[in-house]
Amino acid sequence: GQQLNQSPQSMFIQEGEDVSMNCTSSSIFNTWLWYKQEPGEGPVLLIALYKAGELTSNGRLTAQFGITRKDSFLNISASIPSDVGIYFCAGQKETSGSRLTFGEGTQLTVNP
Amino acid sequence: GAVVSQHPSRVICKSGTSVKIECRSLDFQATTMFWYRQFPKQSLMLMATSNEGSKATYEQGVEKDKFLINHASLTLSTLTVTSAHPEDSSFYICSARTGVAYGYTFGSGTRLTVV
Repeated sequence: GQQLNQSPQSMFIQEGEDVSMNCTSSSIFNTWLWYKQEPGEGPVLLIALYKAGELTSNGRLTAQFGITRKDSFLNISASIPSDVGIYFCAGQKETSGSRLTFGEGTQLTVNP
Repeated sequence: GAVVSQHPSRVICKSGTSVKIECRSLDFQATTMFWYRQFPKQSLMLMATSNEGSKATYEQGVEKDKFLINHASLTLSTLTVTSAHPEDSSFYICSARTGVAYGYTFGSGTRLTVV
C-alpha cells in the first residue's frame, strides 16, 4: 500500500495565487520526485530531488527535499489555469531497488 | 529527451478475451520497465517490475497468470491482460528508467474497458 501521505487532497484557488503541497513519510527516501498528471495522460516529471535539504526550481515551481529525508514540498507561484491537474509526489528508497512509491495526489483547480 | 510510447491509448474488449498493451522506449534502452494501474481519482499502484531477459517481479496481490509481462528486448515490454473481466477495467501506465540519475519516464497510459 501507499507509504507517502500527501496533502492537501484537493485545492481550489484563484489564478495568481500561490500553492503549496507536501508529502510525508514514516520512512526515509533517498530520492523525491514530483509529477503532474493531466486527464487521460501519464505523469510528467516536474522536479527531481536527490539530496537532503536540496531546493530546486523549475520555472514557477519550487520543491525541497526535507532534511530528515522523510518529507518534501512543492510550491507553485502565481498559478495560471494550465496548472490544473493532479500533482503526485513519489519517493525512491535505497532498500526498494528502483521501485517508486507514490503519494495519493493533490487535485489542483485554478479558477480564472 | 527520453520518450516512452504506450499503445494502444484506449481499448474496449469483451469479457473473457485477452488484451495486449505495449510499452516502448523510443530513444533509449530500458532494462527495467514498470507497470502501474490507476483507478479514477486514485494514485498509481505498482503492479510489476519488468526486467529485460528475465521474469517480471510482481507486487503482492497481483496475479501473475492474469497479467502476463514480457520484456524480450531492451526497448519493449508488453502487458497482456488475460481473460479480462469488467473489474479489470482501469488505466494502465508503464514507465521506464532512463538510466540518468533516477530518471523515470512514463507512457501516456492505456484506458482499458472490459464490457
